[in-house]
Amino acid sequence: GAGVSQSPSNKVTEKGKDVELRCDPISGHTALYWYRQRLGQGLEFLIYFQGNSAPDKSGLPSDRFSAERTGESVSTLTIQRTQQEDSAVYLCASSSLDGTEAFFGQGTRLTVV
Amino acid sequence: QKEVEQDPGPLSVPEGAIVSLNCTYSNSAFQYFMWYRQYSRKGPELLMYTYSSGNKEDGRFTAQVDKSSKYISLFIRDSQPSDSATYLCAMKASNFGNEKLTFGTGTRLTIIP
Repeated sequence: GAGVSQSPSNKVTEKGKDVELRCDPISGHTALYWYRQRLGQGLEFLIYFQGNSAPDKSGLPSDRFSAERTGESVSTLTIQRTQQEDSAVYLCASSSLDGTEAFFGQGTRLTVV
Repeated sequence: QKEVEQDPGPLSVPEGAIVSLNCTYSNSAFQYFMWYRQYSRKGPELLMYTYSSGNKEDGRFTAQVDKSSKYISLFIRDSQPSDSATYLCAMKASNFGNEKLTFGTGTRLTIIP
């Protein structure tokens, strides 16, 4: 595809359920980021993948959060036992190895009720 | 202390005014500096990119970097209502390897017609 694609665009889930968010990066981009953005707030770094290197998980807020990426393709962010404070827009971005610009998807708006 | 500090605002200015947006950082290794613009319910998009100290101009936008003070600025001249958005600074130490982008929290800007 032409850009970073995220799905679903909106997700409403009940507290305690698990959710999976998907990110399709731009083809050939080795770097992939997940960020969280709560209503009216800035970007909160979650996790960073770069090629086959070990991911930088330093931003994951708890062990309920995990993410996977197979090679340089699709990434999945999983939130287990969702809580209301998990409600936010989850943004994915990708960039090339020597690129400065990170291209963002439209985000997944997660609402935990 | 966060690596990148940015005043979240909100900042409201009248149409036509000059806007000044700023970030400070603590990591002297940062060499690449970017400004992203995020419209409501959209992903951020790259607005300006600079490397090294000094000014870079693009139309009504000027990005300024002062590495000695660890301070970057974005100036918007002749501000328009369409400039109303959240502006995020981002920076990176290297264009190679496993360096990830580090974002500020963003400043919400409103231009009043």
